[in-house]
Amino acid sequence: GAVVSQHPSRVICKSGTSVKIECRSLDFQATTMFWYRQFPKKSLMLMATSNEGSKATYEQGVEKDKFLINHASLTLSTLTVTSAHPEDSSFYICSAPGQGARNEQFFGPGTRLTVL
Amino acid sequence: SQQGEEDPQALSIQEGENATMNCSYKTSINNLQWYRQNSGRGLVHLILIRSNEREKHSGRLRVTLDTSKKSSSLLITASRAADTASYFCATDGAGGYNKLIFGAGTRLAVHP
Repeated sequence: GAVVSQHPSRVICKSGTSVKIECRSLDFQATTMFWYRQFPKKSLMLMATSNEGSKATYEQGVEKDKFLINHASLTLSTLTVTSAHPEDSSFYICSAPGQGARNEQFFGPGTRLTVL
Repeated sequence: SQQGEEDPQALSIQEGENATMNCSYKTSINNLQWYRQNSGRGLVHLILIRSNEREKHSGRLRVTLDTSKKSSSLLITASRAADTASYFCATDGAGGYNKLIFGAGTRLAVHP
């Protein structure tokens, strides 16, 4: 199956700094990618849809100036958490839809962000 | 907003037993998918059932879909300790192209 990678897998930062998380589709192209956040023992909450070559579409309640998304190529989307605060600490996961009719999505391994 | 409740939230069984997890959703769907997540890891796609299908099998997995009740179930037969994970249903069709909305998930623990 298709592979999606994320980098870094873990990051610890100080409050007020910005953190960039990369999501790459390794062996396929993805014009669309999705970003989720997940709190401990909770479900995935869709944050935004990343669109290659255009602006991301954010879900209701997600601050677009706080969570900057850039989808500069067909294999890379980045999520930047700006001016991070402890409440931004979470598990961030990206996904990309596969090709064909299966409608399967391929998920990255996730990035654990801890803001001190 | 997230939709879907999963039932039970947590399930603890012995190896060899069957595990049944249920999922409900609120809006119309194109399909419903089940994913598995090991602790602190990404999600793995298990099975997809389309809105015009009622039952689907894949190995030890059996999924049912009742669109009139807006519910689905995932049955894992002859469970193994390696099946220990969280299981999520996700619906596609709530808002657009391939956008998945996840249920709350069931944490399954299978004891040797």
